[in-house]
Amino acid sequence: TQLLEQSPQFLSIQEGENLTVYCNSSSVFSSLQWYRQEPGEGPVLLVTVVTGGEVKKLKRLTFQFGDARKDSSLHITAAQPGDTGLYLCAGENAGNMLTFGGGTRLMVKP
Amino acid sequence: NAGVMQNPRHLVRRRGQEARLRCSPMKGHSHVYWYRQLPEEGLKFMVYLQKENIIDESGMPKERFSAEFPKEGPSILRIQQVVRGDSAAYFCASSQGQNQPQHFGDGTRLSIL
Repeated sequence: TQLLEQSPQFLSIQEGENLTVYCNSSSVFSSLQWYRQEPGEGPVLLVTVVTGGEVKKLKRLTFQFGDARKDSSLHITAAQPGDTGLYLCAGENAGNMLTFGGGTRLMVKP
Repeated sequence: NAGVMQNPRHLVRRRGQEARLRCSPMKGHSHVYWYRQLPEEGLKFMVYLQKENIIDESGMPKERFSAEFPKEGPSILRIQQVVRGDSAAYFCASSQGQNQPQHFGDGTRLSIL
């Protein structure tokens, strides 16, 4: 069974601070996705990383895929209250199903 | 906005009743996935379907749960004889093909009385 562990589970910070969320596994994934989920809604895809060592930037968000394709990180620079939400990483294998981490619930206080 | 459409958004059932959850994929998408999210937990894969075929149902409970994606119409996740433990948010996702990004609907929140 493939497992993805996210840390931290909860994070409460002040506006303007930086933060990093980690997603770790002992399994190799063909790709890894990061989603953000608002209460009462479905996950919204932020980025897909495919190549080991790949780094992708989305405005103030930086996503990195580990060299061995077993782990990933999401770094947010100068967090805003609008960044508040549940961040989910999900690994995809050859079978097409996504294995989700438990999520990181981020709160950014003004 | 032709995103993934799920209905109903909320469904209340009494123990022993049947629950039917519907999912219409994005236009042009022929691959459908169902996931379940228990309170305060991540999403767990249930089943992967293409038109008229179940590709992978390794995440489906062996009893009471079934899924279909007919040639015409939405995909249906059916739960027979519901129990309290079935209370969860059920999400459907669709993709254009294999190894393509999965886009999610807003889910059906199932509550069992």
